[in-house]
Amino acid sequence: GNSVTQMEGPVTLSEEAFLTINCTYTATGYPSLFWYVQYPGEGLQLLLKATKADDKGSNKGFEATYRKETTSFHLEKGSVQVSDSAVYFCALRPGYSSASKIIFGSGTRLSIRP
Amino acid sequence: DSGVTQTPKHLITATGQRVTLRCSPRSGDLSVYWYQQSLDQGLQFLIQYYNGEERAKGNILERFSAQQFPDLHSELNLSSLELGDSALYFCASSVDRGGGNTIYFGEGSWLTVV
Repeated sequence: GNSVTQMEGPVTLSEEAFLTINCTYTATGYPSLFWYVQYPGEGLQLLLKATKADDKGSNKGFEATYRKETTSFHLEKGSVQVSDSAVYFCALRPGYSSASKIIFGSGTRLSIRP
Repeated sequence: DSGVTQTPKHLITATGQRVTLRCSPRSGDLSVYWYQQSLDQGLQFLIQYYNGEERAKGNILERFSAQQFPDLHSELNLSSLELGDSALYFCASSVDRGGGNTIYFGEGSWLTVV
C-alpha cells in the first residue's frame, strides 16, 4: 500500500542552524509529494510540492527534491528562524487516480531556540 | 488564506450531543475531504466526496456521517458524541481534474466534548 514515514520529533535547533527532516515513502506508480506545515494553533498550510521525479519544490527558504531512486522527499532549510517552529507533515498523493486522498506522515515537531 | 472555509472554528458540547461542521471548498474545487487530527492519532482521513458523491471512506465511525450538496459545500455530522471525539476536524478541497492536484486545507474546527 501507500505510506509515508518521516523522522520522529521533536527536533530542536538553534536559530540559523541547518535543518533536515527526513521523509521516505512507499507508493505504487508515480505519486505527487507534499510538505505541509502547521503553526501553533493554526491549520495545515501547503509548504511545497513536487509532482515528478527530480522535481525540486521550494518555498520560504525550504526545499525538497523528489528522489525516486531512494523514494525520499527530505525537507531542508539552510538557516532556520524562530518563526519556523511548527509541525511539519510529509504527504503523498497517489498518481493512479485523479481524486485520490492524501496520505500523511506522522508529523515532525520543530522547535527553534533564539 | 487557502480559500477553504470552515465553520464553526470552535465548538464545545456535551457527551451524547450532535454537532454539524460545515465546509465551503475553494471556488471550482469538486472534491471535499474530511480529516480528524487528535493528539494521539495524528491526521486521520475520514471521508471524501467528489461532485456530490462519496468517493472514498477512511476511518470514519458509524456515528459520523457527511454529505456534499449541489453547491459543493459539505457538512460533517457527528452524533452521540464521546469525550474521545474531541479533536481538530479539517476540511480540504481539490479541483481533481487530472492527477497531482494539491489539496488545500481549511483552518479546522476545534471540537471539545465535555
